[in-house]
Amino acid sequence: EIVLTQSPGTLSLSPGERATLSCRASQSVSSSSLAWYQQKPGQAPRLLIYGASSRATGIPDRFSGSGSGTDFTLTISRLEPEDFAVYYCQQYGSSPTFGQGTKVEIK
Amino acid sequence: DVQLLESGGGLVQPGGSLRLSCAASGFTFSDYAMSWVRQAPGKGLEWVAAISGSGGTTYYADSVKGRFTISRDSSKNTLYLQMNSLRAEDTAVYYCAKNGGLRFFGYMDVWGKGTTVTVSS
Repeated sequence: EIVLTQSPGTLSLSPGERATLSCRASQSVSSSSLAWYQQKPGQAPRLLIYGASSRATGIPDRFSGSGSGTDFTLTISRLEPEDFAVYYCQQYGSSPTFGQGTKVEIK
Repeated sequence: DVQLLESGGGLVQPGGSLRLSCAASGFTFSDYAMSWVRQAPGKGLEWVAAISGSGGTTYYADSVKGRFTISRDSSKNTLYLQMNSLRAEDTAVYYCAKNGGLRFFGYMDVWGKGTTVTVSS
């Protein structure tokens, strides 16, 4: 099983700031099969990024994904009030696994 | 509009059984693999099981293998999760999700709102 470790656990930032979230895999993720999701309290997760860097339909371009192999990053260029949430990475190159999540909170 | 709607959650005693359903609409159901993902209270996401578009291939997380069965009925556009021998640690919100792309293991581009399963005496 591929274990995904997200860091930091919590990110305290102000609206307008840049957020950089990390996802590290215990072994190489094949074909950049890495996705990112956003989840707000009481809601289902929402797909943001797939294939490590492709934005899902309707996702604003302030969200971007990068990385390959074992190291992946989600960047939110300028935080909007609605971006404060928990973010999960998921690999699907083999039996799917999720990271433990990064909470982006208002500073 | 692509939609998934889960049902069937509830309170069940340890050792009991429950069947979850997920009604799909707005896309060609048999074209896509589907998954169940759960989230224990206050915890992160855990993938549970996946099934191919045809229903001929299934795969399970080790934590549920031998106890849960995923299935689908394309005539009803419905996904199922039969859960047997339930344990307290199975308590969670269960989401059904549509796999994006055409691979068996995939990212999940559409999610239902979830149904809550509580295992307690």
